[in-house]
Amino acid sequence: QQQVRQSPQSLTVWEGGTTVLTCSYEDSTFNYFPWYQQFPGEGPALLISILSVSDKKEDGRFTTFFNKREKKLSLHIIDSQPGDSATYFCAASSITGNTGKLIFGLGTTLQVQP
Amino acid sequence: NSKVIQTPRYLVKGQGQKAKMRCIPEKGHPVVFWYQQNKNNEFKFLINFQNQEVLQQIDMTEKRFSAECPSNSPCSLEIQSSEAGDSALYLCASSGQYEQYFGPGTRLTVL
Repeated sequence: QQQVRQSPQSLTVWEGGTTVLTCSYEDSTFNYFPWYQQFPGEGPALLISILSVSDKKEDGRFTTFFNKREKKLSLHIIDSQPGDSATYFCAASSITGNTGKLIFGLGTTLQVQP
Repeated sequence: NSKVIQTPRYLVKGQGQKAKMRCIPEKGHPVVFWYQQNKNNEFKFLINFQNQEVLQQIDMTEKRFSAECPSNSPCSLEIQSSEAGDSALYLCASSGQYEQYFGPGTRLTVL
């Protein structure tokens, strides 16, 4: 049973458009949610993260939203660029009284068309 | 940009052979994680360390996997007898507080 679910599996957007990726989770003890960007042949790079005490975090063109009641989060990329084409993973962990291991979703492959 | 170093980047082994990979965490990060990412993008947590001590590990009942993180030396993950199903990207991450920063990974191919 997948504890962290991502959708869509793949997505194509036009350059300059807004990309929206979504994620849901099961375990109510999860309180830390990072998003990673991975290019082929590389390791995942931490893009942005949010703690469950917040509902929104922005970093440049990237914003993540968190809804604790619905156990959902999303990643918004504004002014999407061809260089954003990559696979994006959401993850979750419990950072309090735990070892902090991350549970990952299966990823969304994003293609930004020029 | 992550400063986690992993070597080698690629590793090719025959079935039954040993496979060993290494990781140098970011300076000042006391916690090190190992994950396996398969071709279906499934991540599997393997083990983590804090200052050389094991915090948590998966059930390695097969005992084929072993790992260590000695002081003043790179951390390592070793598969004693490789199987085809072990072919994957092995990722090392280090953490200062709760954010985890990954290295580029070691791509293991078992023929």
